[in-house]
Amino acid sequence: DTGVSQNPRHKITKRGQNVTFRCDPISEHNRLYWYRQTLGQGPEFLTYFQNEAQLEKSRLLSDRFSAERPKGSFSTLEIQRTEQGDSAMYLCASSRLGQNTEAFFGQGTRLTVV
Amino acid sequence: ELKVEQNPLFLSMQEGKNYTIYCNYSTTSDRLYWYRQDPGKSLESLFVLLSNGAVKQEGRLMASLDTKARLSTLHITAAVHDLSATYFCAVDTFSTSGTYKYIFGTGTRLKVLA
Repeated sequence: DTGVSQNPRHKITKRGQNVTFRCDPISEHNRLYWYRQTLGQGPEFLTYFQNEAQLEKSRLLSDRFSAERPKGSFSTLEIQRTEQGDSAMYLCASSRLGQNTEAFFGQGTRLTVV
Repeated sequence: ELKVEQNPLFLSMQEGKNYTIYCNYSTTSDRLYWYRQDPGKSLESLFVLLSNGAVKQEGRLMASLDTKARLSTLHITAAVHDLSATYFCAVDTFSTSGTYKYIFGTGTRLKVLA
């Protein structure tokens, strides 16, 4: 399967714990995005990487959130001291460089904070 | 800030009927995407519209883009139950800082009744 891969698919954690999600983009895709989607809403932009450089972070990304993309390959999204409001589906997408390139989304990681 | 609005938010229609979903956006862009999402699943790409006047068709779905009106439509012809899902439009934006990101609409939840 050469699509965008996300792990884990589901995560249940207690409030206050730290969690980390992983995204493996389509190989040779330079761009990588993280989005968050809550129930009944559209995906909201969190952050964008071009290769290993994190070029933009949304205001939604509080200090408890950090994302990395070492060596411009896979990416991780870490949430520290989780809160119930962090419960959502976290989606990763990747695309090629260029002006008219389509982003492909992974299956997402569904986080439930109890 | 870019806003993307869809209407209707909810649509319940009989099988065999036609209907149109509208996507309005608030800034200039000539790249718009339509996605389908089934409950608990990720986003499936339906159409990529990359220029004013672009029209794409796949099966019972047809999408169009009018960049001057900042409007895209997704037309459903002779709906069938399998089309029941949530449909999102997304506008591709580019900032002078070199960031690309999709801004998603609110989504239209479609239910096709037998």
